[in-house]
Amino acid sequence: SQQGEEDPQALSIQEGENATMNCSYKTSINNLQWYRQNSGRGLVHLILIRSNEREKHSGRLRVTLDTSKKSSSLLITASRAADTASYFCATEENDYKLSFGAGTTVTVRA
Amino acid sequence: DGGITQSPKYLFRKEGQNVTLSCEQNLNHDAMYWYRQDPGQGLRLIYYSQIVNDFQKGDIAEGYSVSREKKESFPLTVTSAQKNPTAFYLCASSIGTGAQGAFFGQGTRLTVV
Repeated sequence: SQQGEEDPQALSIQEGENATMNCSYKTSINNLQWYRQNSGRGLVHLILIRSNEREKHSGRLRVTLDTSKKSSSLLITASRAADTASYFCATEENDYKLSFGAGTTVTVRA
Repeated sequence: DGGITQSPKYLFRKEGQNVTLSCEQNLNHDAMYWYRQDPGQGLRLIYYSQIVNDFQKGDIAEGYSVSREKKESFPLTVTSAQKNPTAFYLCASSIGTGAQGAFFGQGTRLTVV
C-alpha cells in the first residue's frame, strides 16, 4: 500500500472557487511535499513543508501539516482553468525515501 | 540548462527481453529515484539512491535492477522477471537534504508487445 492517501480522488470546481484536498500518511516524516502533474507529463514540485512547520503559503497555495494526525491539506485559492491537473502529496523520510500517494484529479470548469 | 533527462520517451519491448531506461541529471543532486505509474494511478517507488554507489529497494523492486556508478546517472533495467512491465516510468532527483523538492524527468512510456 502507498504511504500517502489523498482525498478526494477527484474534484470538479468552477473557475474562481477554492479547491481543497487532503493527504494522510503512515510513518514518521522529515517533510511533506505537494506536486502537480499534467496528463502524461512529469511532476512539478509545488511546495514543501517541514515536519516542524504547521502552515506554509506560496502564491495561491496554502499547505497545512498536522503531524499528530499524520495529515496535510493543500488549498488552491481562486482557481483557474490552468490549475486542471492531478495533485500528489509525497512524504520524505530520514533516508531520503520519497513516497507518493494516489493523487487527486482536479478539474476547473470555465 | 540544468535538468533531468529521461530517454527514450517511448519504448517497445518484446516479452522476455530486458530493457534499460536512461536517466541523467546535471543538477549535482545526490538523491535519485525511479517510479512506476499505471493509468489513473499514483507513483510507486521502485528504487532510490542516496549517493553514488549506493541504492535501496523501494516498494516494488521485484523484476527491476539499477546501478549508480556516476552521480549524474541512474539507469533502470526492466528484466524479463517483471511480469507486467507496461507502464509510465518516471525518474527524479533531489538535493536529498529535504531543503527543496524533487525534479522530475518527462517520463518513459514502456509497452510490451
